[in-house]
Amino acid sequence: EAGVAQSPRYKIIEKRQSVAFWCNPISGHATLYWYQQILGQGPKLLIQFQNNGVVDDSQLPKDRFSAERLKGVDSTLKIQPAKLEDSAVYLCASSPGQQYQETQYFGPGTRLLVL
Amino acid sequence: AQSVAQPEDQVNVAEGNPLTVKCTYSVSGNPYLFWYVQYPNRGLQFLLKYITGDNLVKGSYGFEAEFNKSQTSFHLKKPSALVSDSALYFCAVSNTNAGKSTFGDGTTLTVKP
Repeated sequence: EAGVAQSPRYKIIEKRQSVAFWCNPISGHATLYWYQQILGQGPKLLIQFQNNGVVDDSQLPKDRFSAERLKGVDSTLKIQPAKLEDSAVYLCASSPGQQYQETQYFGPGTRLLVL
Repeated sequence: AQSVAQPEDQVNVAEGNPLTVKCTYSVSGNPYLFWYVQYPNRGLQFLLKYITGDNLVKGSYGFEAEFNKSQTSFHLKKPSALVSDSALYFCAVSNTNAGKSTFGDGTTLTVKP
């Protein structure tokens, strides 16, 4: 079974530029998560999708971050414009359903550096 | 609001010795508790979880964790550490009330030969 795929793996941009990350979850997984992991901290949930609907985006900075999940499969997370404090690893994860006791399966992450 | 505390940033053990990585949590209602491991430049990998039932949970690579409701703890343990266990370990909690998972800040485990 293929795992969660993410691209790019690394990205370096200057502040005020825009950037987009892509995620392809495990086939058949209904729930998709985007996390931000700042160095020295645990992952923080940015947004959770159930199929193509948003379940939780309470911690997403909506003035600069946006995300979509087209047709309930792939997802894109965008930052526009980027700030220095957005430097982090962006993790995508998926799980089979919506139950909160389900295991999440993580991709390798995208490491973003904002200069 | 739910929260997770991993009181030790770093745990060092000798190979062959038992290891413990500590986790305490705060949540309203019954918790779902998870341990994940992260190797350098990799995403998080699932180790084990507690949902309900037996307080001692066994997981991958010989790891186990004990759910203690009175102490609100879910410590990760292994009887005999391997050098290859060296990694960053995250504890997480969720439940039906709060929904999303909350992760601790991680504990770096170093196992020395």
